[in-house]
Amino acid sequence: DAGVIQSPRHEVTEMGQEVTLRCKPISGHDYLFWYRQTMMRGLELLIYFNNNVPIDDSGMPEDRFSAKMPNASFSTLKIQPSEPRDSAVYFCASSYTRLASDTQYFGPGTRLTVL
Amino acid sequence: RKEVEQDPGPFNVPEGATVAFNCTYSNSASQSFFWYRQDCRKEPKLLMSVYSSGNEDGRFTAQLNRASQYISLLIRDSKLSDSATYLCVVNDPSGNTGKLIFGQGTTLQVKP
Repeated sequence: DAGVIQSPRHEVTEMGQEVTLRCKPISGHDYLFWYRQTMMRGLELLIYFNNNVPIDDSGMPEDRFSAKMPNASFSTLKIQPSEPRDSAVYFCASSYTRLASDTQYFGPGTRLTVL
Repeated sequence: RKEVEQDPGPFNVPEGATVAFNCTYSNSASQSFFWYRQDCRKEPKLLMSVYSSGNEDGRFTAQLNRASQYISLLIRDSKLSDSATYLCVVNDPSGNTGKLIFGQGTTLQVKP
């Protein structure tokens, strides 16, 4: 079975440019999570969806960040305009239920560098 | 205070050694606990859940002390392939959601 798929795997862009990160969750999983990982702050939850609906976006750093999930098999995280401090690894994860005991499966991540 | 605290290490140990990692969490209402493993430049993957009675999976033993809000992971007979970062994870009990809170991780390097 395919796991969580993310694209691109690497992205290098210049400050001020728009960046779009993509995620395809595991089929049948109702929950999708977007995380950001940096050396300084570790792994932080940005936003998560249930059945394509955003449930909690309190982790989104500011208005420059937006996320959508138009259908059960696709989600995007957009940064516009991008800044050097947005450089990080962005992970998408999915799980079957909302139960805290349910495993979250992570995608390989997108390594973003903003120059 | 961080919600989940871990010693970042690194822990440098020889093959065959026994090594233990500890983690503390701040919210006593948390009910679910995990250890995730993250290899260099890879995604986190679930290593094992942590149950109140303690649980073992091969060379790995996890224990939970709710009174002290403390979680541990013991690795026996360590292998070179155990080199990774180990993330302590607890659920966010507010709002009854599936949100998880990750510690910063403890890095293990197993040397030949």
